[in-house]
Amino acid sequence: DTEVTQTPKHLVMGMTNKKSLKCEQHMGHRAMYWYKQKAKKPPELMFVYSYEKLSINESVPSRFSPECPNSSLLNLHLHALQPEDSALYLCASSQGLVGRDGYGYTFGSGTRLTVV
Amino acid sequence: LAKTTQPISMDSYEGQEVNITCSHNNIATNDYITWYQQFPSQGPRFIIQGYKTKVTNEVASLFIPADRKSSTLSLPRVSLSDTAVYYCLVGERDDKIIFGKGTRLHILP
Repeated sequence: DTEVTQTPKHLVMGMTNKKSLKCEQHMGHRAMYWYKQKAKKPPELMFVYSYEKLSINESVPSRFSPECPNSSLLNLHLHALQPEDSALYLCASSQGLVGRDGYGYTFGSGTRLTVV
Repeated sequence: LAKTTQPISMDSYEGQEVNITCSHNNIATNDYITWYQQFPSQGPRFIIQGYKTKVTNEVASLFIPADRKSSTLSLPRVSLSDTAVYYCLVGERDDKIIFGKGTRLHILP
């Protein structure tokens, strides 16, 4: 299995809802990432987990709460989002330090989130 | 953080060779250069990675000069399906890697 699987593919939620995005990889990768991407913009890093520990939080608002239950799973819990949080949320994984010694990202196909 | 600069957009025609250049002046000794392709509403897809000189795979070539401060992605004989955004990335620092603006490639019939 050489894929990163994200569910759901599409999500519409109200501003008072609580929902979760799920990401799964079975490649034994040591790092997992959440990115947010707005239309016609590059992906923007949100969180990084390295060996199941949160190593980077790019000053993301607390209404986004990441969780890494085990080395294969990464969740993003959403609560009280705003319409401006509507975006494509991408999960990625990497076996080693990305861009070093030949390692790269494997991205999922994303969750298209719409906040109404 | 290692920063990259690419042209914002490029147009080409089907069957042509397309070269996209990326500037990365502060690349570090251990950094590799990696190119990704992204179609709308999909995650970026790995195309090619290299450290120096030339790397070729079944979809692209990557040319890296001796000083490694730039690189060129070469797509031979492009088709309409190569219309996408192409990102050049260099190495991670403290688990962070930042995407530049990318190059929006538009292939015309």
